[in-house]
Amino acid sequence: QVQLVQSGAEVKKPGASVKVSCKASGYTFTSYGINWVRQAPGQGLEWMGWISVYIGNANYAQKYQGRVTMTTDTSTSTAYMELRSLTSDDTAVYYCARGVGSPPRFDYWGQGTLVTVSS
Amino acid sequence: EIVLTQSPATLSLSPGERATLSCRASQSVSSYLAWYQQKPGQAPRLLIYDASNRATGIPARFSGSGSGTDFTLTISNLEPEDFALYYCQQRSNWPPTFGGGTKVEIK
Repeated sequence: QVQLVQSGAEVKKPGASVKVSCKASGYTFTSYGINWVRQAPGQGLEWMGWISVYIGNANYAQKYQGRVTMTTDTSTSTAYMELRSLTSDDTAVYYCARGVGSPPRFDYWGQGTLVTVSS
Repeated sequence: EIVLTQSPATLSLSPGERATLSCRASQSVSSYLAWYQQKPGQAPRLLIYDASNRATGIPARFSGSGSGTDFTLTISNLEPEDFALYYCQQRSNWPPTFGGGTKVEIK
């Protein structure tokens, strides 16, 4: 069965960076893109960007360009999302999600990683 | 970017009743609309894709309809596990965007 398993919760100070991982299993990793969606406390869902695992290129939401990098390691079927220059507004749960189509719908999701930014 | 507006914000119903959730797009998204269910502390789950197709394993009491700018998610005969948050999402244009959500709560 398809599974996306994310790394654990993180606490970071303002100005720091965070790197969240998402390990995929149960399907051919290179056949689907991986998207990242975040959800601030009590708020809705916000798409951050995606990476084409097969080609290796990424497409980021304008809001995050210059501050986010999405990568993959096909040898371990793992995707990564690094967000830099963190502020308290980046406190959120970060989800990876498998994408279908272009633009995608999201058919499988990781369990989420809580990133807390606090001094 | 395309803005999705969901209504109502909250729907108070009893088990066994029918829920009708609305999602309106700021411009046509054709049939490229999906619905997700999210329970507290959990990731969203895909229910409906491309307006009316149930995702794998989704019960038949969930149905979607609509095209263009107006879409509906219907949950017939609400089960206790259906009380949750529901989001719509468009994939017609980049970037993909989500609606603000409708909470279905127990009356």
